[in-house]
Amino acid sequence: QQPVQSPQAVILREGEDAVINCSSSKALYSVHWYRQKHGEAPIFLMILLKGGEQKGHDKISASFNEKKQQSSLYLTASQLSYSGTYFCGTVGSGNTGKLIFGQGTTLQVKP
Amino acid sequence: NAGVTQTPKFRILKIGQSMTLQCAQDMNHNYMYWYRQDPGMGLKLIYYSVGAGITDKGEVPNGYNVSRSTTEDFPLRLELAAPSQTSVYFCASSSLTGGETQYFGPGTRLTVL
Repeated sequence: QQPVQSPQAVILREGEDAVINCSSSKALYSVHWYRQKHGEAPIFLMILLKGGEQKGHDKISASFNEKKQQSSLYLTASQLSYSGTYFCGTVGSGNTGKLIFGQGTTLQVKP
Repeated sequence: NAGVTQTPKFRILKIGQSMTLQCAQDMNHNYMYWYRQDPGMGLKLIYYSVGAGITDKGEVPNGYNVSRSTTEDFPLRLELAAPSQTSVYFCASSSLTGGETQYFGPGTRLTVL
């Protein structure tokens, strides 16, 4: 089942912070975060694994609450380059390989 | 190291025509995936493969077929194109499942008229 992201859209000024949430109704093995610019392929940001391991971008942080099947992506001191659509993807606890993406959160950073 | 490559970049098909979208990776990844992305929407998993000779259905497999005869290649076949298959198709690969980065190709933009 598709994870649910919130909010659907965010508008920020440069330097402001944002939080994007991802929630699943199923037990999870991992949560993946990607950013996509218009007309381009998604770019990897971070993976959070069951058990606490994280892999990813130095300047982006995220959390994963395994019990609640929720993850949050924290964007601090936003830059113009942060604009794009952010997707979370989830892999179920069985780790079958299926990565199911949420509907996306559009982030616009203005000068 | 080219990463994940996809051909063609653009294609227009007529209803009922068939085509194969090509995907190749040179990272020796076992896992490969096909997604479709409709305008303004998220990515939907069509099929995936955990190694040569092994494939499985994703969320939206109807109207598509795949095969994986080598580690490097994972073609996606559309047999009878329909307007509902108008989308951008992304291929991706990863070294392991679940806990590793998926590397995406540049995408194929398909229009069915």
